[in-house]
Amino acid sequence: KNEVEQSPQNLTAQEGEFITINCSYSVGISALHWLQQHPGGGIVSLFMLSSGKKKHGRLIATINIQEKHSSLHITASHPRDSAVYICAADWGTGNQFYFGTGTSLTVIP
Amino acid sequence: ETGVTQSPTHLIKTRGQQVTLRCSSQSGHNTVSWYQQALGQGPQFIFQYYREEENGRGNFPPRFSGLQFPNYSSELNVNALELDDSALYLCASSLGGGATYEQYFGPGTRLTVT
Repeated sequence: KNEVEQSPQNLTAQEGEFITINCSYSVGISALHWLQQHPGGGIVSLFMLSSGKKKHGRLIATINIQEKHSSLHITASHPRDSAVYICAADWGTGNQFYFGTGTSLTVIP
Repeated sequence: ETGVTQSPTHLIKTRGQQVTLRCSSQSGHNTVSWYQQALGQGPQFIFQYYREEENGRGNFPPRFSGLQFPNYSSELNVNALELDDSALYLCASSLGGGATYEQYFGPGTRLTVT
């Protein structure tokens, strides 16, 4: 069964802290996506990766194919990073993405 | 380059009615995917359209149907609305179907069924 699990479900951090959000999936994938969803619903794609590591500004995404695990890191967190972060896996079948339930991040000034 | 747009922003319908939601793709994108997101949950894949043909479908009943037009805009139609259909409906466009294409999401349509 294709499943995607995220942890933690909720996360509160002080401004400046280093944040890690984890995502694990049940079977091998074609690609893993990290998405950011702000209050009100808009979703922005942060990363798409199938191996290794990607970095964009203060955001870093890594994936370990053997362990079926990906992490999203935020360095020097800021209140504007407060959002729900969602990972989504694509097993390359039927063009269907399977989403985790999201991690709600609140960064306190 | 225009982004993905959706209309309407909010909608209230009564159980048993029918609804049509609309999505305008980002310029140059030929693929549209539709998702349902219940409150507190991650999005669930409804279906995808590639060049006007359905190109994959999630676990949703036939009363959820769609269309993609020659300009690659898209509609999601839901018949015989049920209370559980209340959700945020998101569309996302991409340059193609499958894992190698990044998806660009619209702001969503919030549907409430009473």
